[in-house]
Amino acid sequence: NAGVMQNPRHLVRRRGQEARLRCSPMKGHSHVYWYRQLPEEGLKFMVYLQKENIIDESGMPKERFSAEFPKEGPSILRIQQVVRGDSAAYFCASSPRQSGGRTEAFFGQGTRLTVV
Amino acid sequence: QKEVEQDPGPLSVPEGAIVSLNCTYSNSAFQYFMWYRQYSRKGPELLMYTYSSGNKEDGRFTAQVDKSSKYISLFIRDSQPSDSATYLCAMSANAGGTSYGKLTFGQGTILTVHP
Repeated sequence: NAGVMQNPRHLVRRRGQEARLRCSPMKGHSHVYWYRQLPEEGLKFMVYLQKENIIDESGMPKERFSAEFPKEGPSILRIQQVVRGDSAAYFCASSPRQSGGRTEAFFGQGTRLTVV
Repeated sequence: QKEVEQDPGPLSVPEGAIVSLNCTYSNSAFQYFMWYRQYSRKGPELLMYTYSSGNKEDGRFTAQVDKSSKYISLFIRDSQPSDSATYLCAMSANAGGTSYGKLTFGQGTILTVHP
């Protein structure tokens, strides 16, 4: 039973380029969350998606960042015109359809983005 | 003021010691409390999950929640070198509606257990 799969594990982009990060949730999971971890900081929530819907994007920067979770295929976090400050580890988590009040999110290994 | 405060450490203890990790929070809406362990350059791994106040034990790990004081703790008994990692507390307001699964993390405490 594969866990949450993220790729690529490492991504290097020059300033101004686009970065596309992919996340395949665990089998049977329909909820996906993206978090960002800056050096020496904890994880910060960015966005929560279900299939074809953005449920909560309160943590997403207003510009250059977007996310999707299509009906088929992985969830994508897209960063346009990257800047050095975007360098961070980006983690995806998934959870199953909620029932009984229990929340349990499983994380992938992350994508480490370096902007040069 | 951050919603969740966690002493970043670093914390260094000898093998076999009891380790105490703590977080305080300010948001009274938090109901679900978790502890994650993160090894270097890896993703966070869920260790403990607690709903509301009380204690929960799992092997060498005990999680405590005191909602009246807005304070949570993780205790590790008989600590091992393999416990060396960053420990992150996380909280969520509810498990339904638009806040479902949205976790607020502490900064993380770096723990080293030396032989």
